[in-house]
Amino acid sequence: SQQGEEDPQALSIQEGENATMNCSYKTSINNLQWYRQNSGRGLVHLILIRSNEREKHSGRLRVTLDTSKKSSSLLITASRAADTASYFCATDAYSGNTPLVFGKGTRLSVIA
Amino acid sequence: AAGVIQSPRHLIKEKRETATLKCYPIPRHDTVYWYQQGPGQDPQFLISFYEKMQSDKGSIPDRFSAQQFSDYHSELNMSSLELGDSALYFCASSLGIQNEQYFGPGTRLTVT
Repeated sequence: SQQGEEDPQALSIQEGENATMNCSYKTSINNLQWYRQNSGRGLVHLILIRSNEREKHSGRLRVTLDTSKKSSSLLITASRAADTASYFCATDAYSGNTPLVFGKGTRLSVIA
Repeated sequence: AAGVIQSPRHLIKEKRETATLKCYPIPRHDTVYWYQQGPGQDPQFLISFYEKMQSDKGSIPDRFSAQQFSDYHSELNMSSLELGDSALYFCASSLGIQNEQYFGPGTRLTVT
């Protein structure tokens, strides 16, 4: 399977704490994207990191990419209750093409 | 900013009926992707179009077909619906390939 795996599957933290989610994938990629999804709702694009990048920031989000280990991490700093959602990583794992292959997602619960 | 528009948002059909889902990409986006997300599952790629031509095909059943029109909107046609087709169907668009994919709110299809 080309699907990635995310770790942990579920994470529960207190508001104000940092949350780290990890994603591993199996094939060479062009880029890796992180998405957030509230229960039964649409996928919100958070950040894209290209295969030649190692780290990227966007507001309270920090994404790292280690292509040698085929892994990525998403760090949310100073979490808020509104950050409660499922977080998916997605890679364009098809050589030369761009459909996304999603990981299983991490369910984050931020407790106020 | 304009986002991806999908219609209808909710659809209830009976087994063996047909359904048509519509997607209107972000203005100037030339690439459209369709994904299916079953209950508690990660999104699975179905099919994509670039400049009105099919660019890649994923796990789309033969009962489904799709196309992208001259105005770049896309339609997913689903025939002989089965109970297992009940899912959230997302459309995403991007400007060119290997760029951020922005998702619509999804169409929730229920087959009874």
